[in-house]
Amino acid sequence: AQRVTQPEKLLSVFKGAPVELKCNYSYSGSPELFWYVQYSRQRLQLLLRHISRESIKGFTADLNKGETSFHLKKPFAQEEDSAMYYCALGATNKLIFGTGTLLAVQP
Amino acid sequence: EADIYQTPRYLVIGTGKKITLECSQTMGHDKMYWYQQDPGMELHLIHYSYGVNSTEKGDLSSESTVSRIRTEHFPLTLESARPSHTSQYLCASSEGQGVWETQYFGPGTRLLVL
Repeated sequence: AQRVTQPEKLLSVFKGAPVELKCNYSYSGSPELFWYVQYSRQRLQLLLRHISRESIKGFTADLNKGETSFHLKKPFAQEEDSAMYYCALGATNKLIFGTGTLLAVQP
Repeated sequence: EADIYQTPRYLVIGTGKKITLECSQTMGHDKMYWYQQDPGMELHLIHYSYGVNSTEKGDLSSESTVSRIRTEHFPLTLESARPSHTSQYLCASSEGQGVWETQYFGPGTRLLVL
């Protein structure tokens, strides 16, 4: 079955602390993986995709095919990182989204 | 400015009414999508289109229908609204020939059916 799992509904950290948002996927083919983000009162937008291998706003994500994971990481959280984060899997002409994790960065 | 628009942003309507949710984009994208999202849940693809006169159903069964007569316009219609249709509906578009280009999302329509 094609599925994306984000086990944490809420992740609360203090400013300056490291952040890791977990994402696991289930897919039999070669996966395309993405992180989308929705800031308060803004639209859902792409944060990064694994094929680009880039760092956006200090966030990185590495595809681990052995563990079928695509965790999103940032070494030092900022208050402006507070948002809803969705992991998504590209599969058979569509994106499959996880349920999302709300990241709350406390001052 | 290139953008993707959705109207109305909020809609409260009675059971049995016919409704059309509008989605337009000025980004010149060929591909457009409709997602449904219940609170605290994942987005589910309900319809997509790869161009004019092309529409396909997504993986979540939906009683809604869509049309794509113009590249920029992708409306979603519910012939007879029911309380089970209460949800948020997100429209998105993407460009290019591959499957996994960035999807750009509209602001969404929150629908409440009484």
